[in-house]
Amino acid sequence: DTGVSQDPRHKITKRGQNVTFRCDPISEHNRLYWYRQTLGQGPEFLTYFQNEAQLEKSRLLSDRFSAERPKGSFSTLEIQRTEQGDSAMYLCASSLVGRSYTFGSGTRLTVV
Amino acid sequence: DAKTTQPTSMDCAEGRAANLPCNHSTISGNEYVYWYRQIHSQGPQYIIHGLKNNETNEMASLIITEDRKSSTLILPHATLRDTAVYYCIVRVGDTPLVFGKGTRLSVIA
Repeated sequence: DTGVSQDPRHKITKRGQNVTFRCDPISEHNRLYWYRQTLGQGPEFLTYFQNEAQLEKSRLLSDRFSAERPKGSFSTLEIQRTEQGDSAMYLCASSLVGRSYTFGSGTRLTVV
Repeated sequence: DAKTTQPTSMDCAEGRAANLPCNHSTISGNEYVYWYRQIHSQGPQYIIHGLKNNETNEMASLIITEDRKSSTLILPHATLRDTAVYYCIVRVGDTPLVFGKGTRLSVIA
């Protein structure tokens, strides 16, 4: 297993466009987390799944953001009608319940 | 909001021990102390965690004060590759990790 994979690594999009990111967790991990990180800040929690169930969403997650984990394996994070304030690094992590997280290298989104 | 306070930045000479402090004066009895680090352009990496006893693994040692209001992460022989942002996090049970701004450690040759 090669760890947590995120695709793409970089995405540049025009304001108003929709974007989708993919995360492939470590295969045996049942928890999957999405975080967002802006320059100089620590990662901010967005949402997490246990298997295919989305258990919690942060207040930060506006209705333009949606995340899915349809078969309890990979996950997607979609941002609709992107805004410049959405520019950030989007990080995915996976874990077993109650264990430490393994993070991917992130997807850097730039909205122009 | 993060429940911890850490210095913004620290320097350490290569080969010396790096001691990173963290205050968590409002920690409750069932909250663990976790440490992660983030090297530039990578995702955070787990280092160590503990409840009340001191812990050691191949990466670092964690010293928690008896009253549990503060802790110190010790990297015994810092190398240039230890240059990173170090996050101290308190967490109860399975709740998602809440990151603060961390301490930027610079290891200097």
